[in-house]
Order: sequence, then structure tokens, then C-alpha cells
Amino acid sequence: QQPVQSPQAVILREGEDAVINCSSSKALYSVHWYRQKHGEAPVFLMILLKGGEQKGHDKISASFNEKKQQSSLYLTASQLSYSGTYFCGTRGDGGTSYGKLTFGQGTILTVHP
Amino acid sequence: ETGVTQSPTHLIKTRGQQVTLRCSSQSGHNTVSWYQQALGQGPQFIFQYYREEENGRGNFPPRFSGLQFPNYSSELNVNALELDDSALYLCASSLISSEKLFFGSGTQLSVL
Repeated sequence: QQPVQSPQAVILREGEDAVINCSSSKALYSVHWYRQKHGEAPVFLMILLKGGEQKGHDKISASFNEKKQQSSLYLTASQLSYSGTYFCGTRGDGGTSYGKLTFGQGTILTVHP
Repeated sequence: ETGVTQSPTHLIKTRGQQVTLRCSSQSGHNTVSWYQQALGQGPQFIFQYYREEENGRGNFPPRFSGLQFPNYSSELNVNALELDDSALYLCASSLISSEKLFFGSGTQLSVL
């Protein structure tokens, strides 16, 4: 089943923070986060694995709550380049092949000067 | 850029026709996954190929088929095209042992 992302859209000013949530109804082994700009390929941001730690990359970090099957992506001090659609992709905890991700519907993030 | 290339970038077909989309994997990657992305939606898993065999399939009918070649490149074939097949088709390459996917820019298919 498709994970649910919230909010569906976020509008920010440069320098503001945002949180994007991803919630699944099934047990998860991993959560992946991608960003896609219009007309371009989804770009990998990070993976969070079951039993792993919270991850961070520059001003973007994420957490994974295995018990609640939820993940959150944190964007701090947003930059114009952060604009795009953010997708979470999940892999179930049942031997699913690595390439098979179930993606959420996406969160559109717009950063204004 | 990821090193994953797809061709063509855009394609227009009519209902009932057949189409072949192509994907070249990033160097060293042995696994290819195909996804369909409808407008405003997240990508949906079609299937994955490893060692030239299908290695997992999503909820797509048999008229969606694929091939993987010895050089790890891949094709997606869709027969008897329907209007709902209009979408962006994404190819992602990876190592079979890795969680990380590298996506190409996709082929935009329009079925009229």
C-alpha cells in the first residue's frame, strides 16, 4: 500500500524550515527520500534503514520511527535550490527486492526569495 | 547526473500500438528497475531485472514486458497501448545488493 505524505504542498521563504512526513500502514525495512524537479529525474537524498540512526546531509536530515512506520524529512534554513517535489519510497519488511519501492504521492515544496 | 540514460525522451503513440523504451544503466550496475509516473503522482514499480531475468513485478498487466541484456541495459515493451498508459516512464539502475537507486530522466509517453 502506498505511503501517505503530508503536507501535500509547502510554501516557504528562503531561510525558513520545513518538515515533510511519510506514514505507512505496513511494517517497513527502509525509507528512501528523493527530490524531483520538473522534467528531471528523481534525485536520491537519503535512506533510513530499520534499526539505523537518524541521518543528515548538510541542512537536510531525516528520522525513521519503526514502531509507528513513520519517517520525517527535515529541511532547515531552506534555499531556493530546495524547491521541487519530495517523495518518500518505502520497502516492506518481508524480503521485498531492493529495487521495489512504493512511493508516496509527493510533497511540493516551493521556496521564494 | 546519475549516468543512467533513457531513450527516447518523448514519444507519441496511438491507442493499440506497441512501444519500446530503452535504458542504459550506470557503469557497474547490474540491476534495472522500471517505474511508471502518472502526472502529479509518485512513481509506481513495474518490474526489476537482474541477470537478464525478471526479479520482482508490480501490479501491471502482462502487456508490460521487459528485457535485460548482457551489458545490463534494458528495454520496456508495452503492447496494445491504452490512453491510461500516458505517463513518464523512469528507469533506475542499482547493484543487486544495494538499496540505493539511480534514476534516469525518463521517457514521456503520450497515447492519443
